[in-house]
Formats: sequence, structure tokens, C-alpha cells
Amino acid sequence: DAGITQSPRHKVTETGTPVTLRCHQTENHRYMYWYRQDPGHGLRLIHYSYGVKDTDKGEVSDGYSVSRSKTEDFLLTLESATSSQTSVYFCAISGVPGGELFFGEGSRLTVL
Amino acid sequence: SQQGEEDPQALSIQEGENATMNCSYKTSINNLQWYRQNSGRGLVHLILIRSNEREKHSGRLRVTLDTSKKSSSLLITASRAADTASYFCATAQDDSWGKLQFGAGTQVVVTP
Repeated sequence: DAGITQSPRHKVTETGTPVTLRCHQTENHRYMYWYRQDPGHGLRLIHYSYGVKDTDKGEVSDGYSVSRSKTEDFLLTLESATSSQTSVYFCAISGVPGGELFFGEGSRLTVL
Repeated sequence: SQQGEEDPQALSIQEGENATMNCSYKTSINNLQWYRQNSGRGLVHLILIRSNEREKHSGRLRVTLDTSKKSSSLLITASRAADTASYFCATAQDDSWGKLQFGAGTQVVVTP
């Protein structure tokens, strides 16, 4: 299995609080992605990174920010969580753009 | 908006039967990939087919791609109970091939 660790795996928080999800990889892959998964929507891309300090927006980036200061870590931050951000968040990595993705086990976030 | 859409949304079959699911997409692609997701887990890559390929096999999996119809199909032969999962197609588009876009998935249940 690809070395991808997401933390926390489960989190319950209240509306308006900041939340940071962490994705850590040991594969030295250049490309890292954050997706959210909601019933009926499949996976939707939030942000992605193509190198240290190089990030770009996906299709549902509003309300989210990311940072990548090291190859191995990709952080997703919800500055002020809303109930619509209740979801399961998946981190994925890839060695080549558009290539096979390796996924983490997901982080389930509930915003009350 | 989603690039890929799977059909059917759900499929229930018995062990030993074949399972076929389809994926349609909207824009020109570099490649198309299929993933499997077991309940509560991350996605696992199954197979990648490039835009210049028409058919690909991997074990009991057969994938076809028809770029003129912008569609792909995944066939699982001789299904087993362990094939019970959700299956997703994902496309790497020509104009943004670093980012994969996923469909909503097909939920497959294989009963013994």
C-alpha cells in the first residue's frame, strides 16, 4: 500500500471554527490532491499541488485553502467551517500528472 | 460539473455473473481510469486506458473506450462477493490533465 496517512480520521466541530486536515506521504510523489466525497456527487476536487509551494484550485475550492511547505505534507484548511462542508475528505497522490492516484483512507468531518 | 457519469447507479448480481457498468464523459481526454471503493475505505486504482487505446484487460476486468461516443465500459467477469464495492470512472482531460475528475459511481452488490 502507498504510504499515505490522513489525520484526523474523524472530527466533529462547530460552525465557524477553523479546521485543518493533514495528508502525509512517504512516497516522495510530486502531485497531491484533496477531494471531498458526498452522496450522489462522487469525488470533487478541492485543491491540488504540483510541487512544494505550488498549488491550484479545483472545482469546489471556495471556503478552503491549502499549503504545502514540504514534499510529504499537504494541509487542507477550512478557515471557518460551515455545515455544507460536512463530508468525507480524501487525500490522493500521484507520481505523474493525470496518472494513477493513490488514496488515503479518508477524514470524516462533521460540522454541527 | 462532473466530467464522468456512470450508469447504472446501482447493480445487483449473483456470484458468477458478469457485471457491466458504463461511463460517459463530456470533453476530450488524455486517459480514463477506473477505481474501486469498498465501504468506508479509500479508492483503489483498477485500470487506466489511454485515449489512443480501445480495449484493455487486467485479470477479470475488461475496459473499453470509445472516444467517438465519449464513453467507456468496465466489465467484471465471473463476479465474486468480494467484488461488492462502488466503482468510479475518472477522466484526465486534455486541457487539464493533471487533475482527474470523477463520476458519481456505480454501487455493485454481488450476492453469494
